Amino acid sequence: EAQVTQNPRYLITVTGKKLTVTCSQNMNHEYMSWYRQDPGLGLRQIYYSMNVEVTDKGDVPEGYKVSRKEKRNFPLILESPSPNQTSLYFCASSLGGAWGYTFGSGTRLTVV
Amino acid sequence: AQSVSQHNHHVILSEAASLELGCNYSYGGTVNLFWYVQYPGQHLQLLLKYFSGDPLVKGIKGFEAEFIKSKFSFNLRKPSVQWSDTAEYFCAQRGSTLGRLYFGRGTQLTVWP
Repeated sequence: EAQVTQNPRYLITVTGKKLTVTCSQNMNHEYMSWYRQDPGLGLRQIYYSMNVEVTDKGDVPEGYKVSRKEKRNFPLILESPSPNQTSLYFCASSLGGAWGYTFGSGTRLTVV
Repeated sequence: AQSVSQHNHHVILSEAASLELGCNYSYGGTVNLFWYVQYPGQHLQLLLKYFSGDPLVKGIKGFEAEFIKSKFSFNLRKPSVQWSDTAEYFCAQRGSTLGRLYFGRGTQLTVWP
């Protein structure tokens, strides 16, 4: 089944403790991206990648890191999480162009 | 900066009522436009997309959208809603930079049986 898989689905952590949210897609898509969703703000793009080793900032990149060492994987790294990063995170992938993104099931992160 | 505007924050309808959700996209951006739906507790699913051709686009689950270039609008419609359409709906526009997809703030639709 074609899908974007994120792990974990739920995560509670403490301020300053580094964490990684994994994302993998099995559709051989060139493009991958991370979004955060907050009530009343919609989805905001954090980072995106157009191919292996090619990444760029979205609208809210501060406090996040990404890497794209393989085409299928695009992990999101929070080096020192803070409470304002409590959010619902979505990974997505796309063929590019006019195709739009296919989204994963989401990771609900709480930073206390 | 590119932005997508959704004017209705929360829409409440009875079953069988007609639906229209407004969306305005940025001037100067691409005209690759999308509507996504997010059912409670789930991820976003693509309802329909427009990139060229017929301005009336038909999607899944009986939804359609009309692209009106002169109004920078891409409104979502459904002739008769069902309780199962209760969800949040997001309009999105592809950016001029490949890989960028901008979302509106979403419209929560509640349908009463």
